Amino acid sequence: DSGVTQTPKHLITATGQRVTLRCSPRSGDLSVYWYQQSLDQGLQFLIQYYNGEERAKGNILERFSAQQFPDLHSELNLSSLELGDSALYFCASSVEGSGANVLTFGAGSRLTVL
Amino acid sequence: AQSVTQLDSQVPVFEEAPVELRCNYSSSVSVYLFWYVQYPNQGLQLLLKYLSGSTLVESINGFEAEFNKSQTSFHLRKPSVHISDTAEYFCAVSAITSYDKVIFGPGTSLSVIP
Repeated sequence: DSGVTQTPKHLITATGQRVTLRCSPRSGDLSVYWYQQSLDQGLQFLIQYYNGEERAKGNILERFSAQQFPDLHSELNLSSLELGDSALYFCASSVEGSGANVLTFGAGSRLTVL
Repeated sequence: AQSVTQLDSQVPVFEEAPVELRCNYSSSVSVYLFWYVQYPNQGLQLLLKYLSGSTLVESINGFEAEFNKSQTSFHLRKPSVHISDTAEYFCAVSAITSYDKVIFGPGTSLSVIP
């Protein structure tokens, strides 16, 4: 157990739907990162939060949004889902969000869009 | 912006043989470098990191990597692999700034053959 908790572990939904993925960071970590892992795109950085504020943005689609709440948990919202959104979504956390920090990853949420 | 190239998508190797997984990066600024490992059905976990100092860094399970600034490389090596080393290996880079995202390479699948 890495200390980073992601729910749900698996999610199957239909095109056009909206889902929310949740992440609780490791105790003491202030920064949360979201990554999308797919076979053809590899591990793509989506977005980073530090203590509730957006810190860095990657290749995140406009249909996707995220936030980090005062208790430091984070949610990734995916809307108007397409088949191509099927992937493994990882959350990671780190102490400060500095580039030197080691990322601790959760086990991932596997999204299947039918 | 930073980018990471892992030239070998798949590396099969016999048990107890040596292995080298190649990683090259591109960046206009100084960087931190990491290797993460992903075992089947798990999240990524840190294998080793280079932040500063000695260019040769080692992990607790026998892997080592050497930072070569002139060649912008951070190749991962192990003199004798075990079946348990079968996994996906990701090279990652982040810029030496106050806060920056961690960019991952496409990964190399290491398969150890008995």
